Amino acid sequence: QSVLTQAPSASGTPGQRVTISCSGSSSNIGSNSVQWYQHLPGTAPKLLMFNNNQRPSGVPDRFSGSKSGTSASLAIGGLQSEDEAHYYCAAWDESLNGMIFGGGTKLTVL
Amino acid sequence: QVQLQESGPGLLKPSQTLSLTCTISGGSITRGGHYWSWIRQPAGKGLEWIGRIYSSGGTNYSPSLKGRVTISLDTSKNQFSLKLLSVTAADTAVYFCARFVSSSYYYAMDVWGQGTTVTVSS
Repeated sequence: QSVLTQAPSASGTPGQRVTISCSGSSSNIGSNSVQWYQHLPGTAPKLLMFNNNQRPSGVPDRFSGSKSGTSASLAIGGLQSEDEAHYYCAAWDESLNGMIFGGGTKLTVL
Repeated sequence: QVQLQESGPGLLKPSQTLSLTCTISGGSITRGGHYWSWIRQPAGKGLEWIGRIYSSGGTNYSPSLKGRVTISLDTSKNQFSLKLLSVTAADTAVYFCARFVSSSYYYAMDVWGQGTTVTVSS
């Protein structure tokens, strides 16, 4: 069981906006910034968002992140078929003194 | 452009020691501000952070693996390594290495290797 909680699945149709949520606690999201990773099976995970809402170079602005208290969200606008992947949130946990991941959300583009 | 590549045995028997190496190209392992990390993903499950090492040799490990895991540096080869003692079937996973960026405001694993599959089976 992951310390960060994500819904196991989400879905949307092309062009829609989808939001993926991540719930933590005061020792992780409440104390530190959140990252989001996109992962296609068989490939290397890709950093999608860091410092809650900052996109690395090359990540489209259709992707946006936010954080409030002990929860964070990743929003994907203008959904495309290539967005079908697993999405993981992550944050440093002060109590564990280590990085923790959410359980992941599998996004299906219908 | 920094690239990472994992290498090591793909098949182990229970109780053996898992040893993997991550080779860094296009950048120096000793560059300040960067840690180097290992992450794994068991089949059908999510990502699990194993630990990280700084260029000075300082380490942090996941509490769930502490006592069995060691991450070390070989600066002469621009590599870092993972050792996991007394493996069981539960350690079967794809193992990734990654660059772990640490600043005053955020952490991020921004460069990842492709991953290597390790299977533990008798």
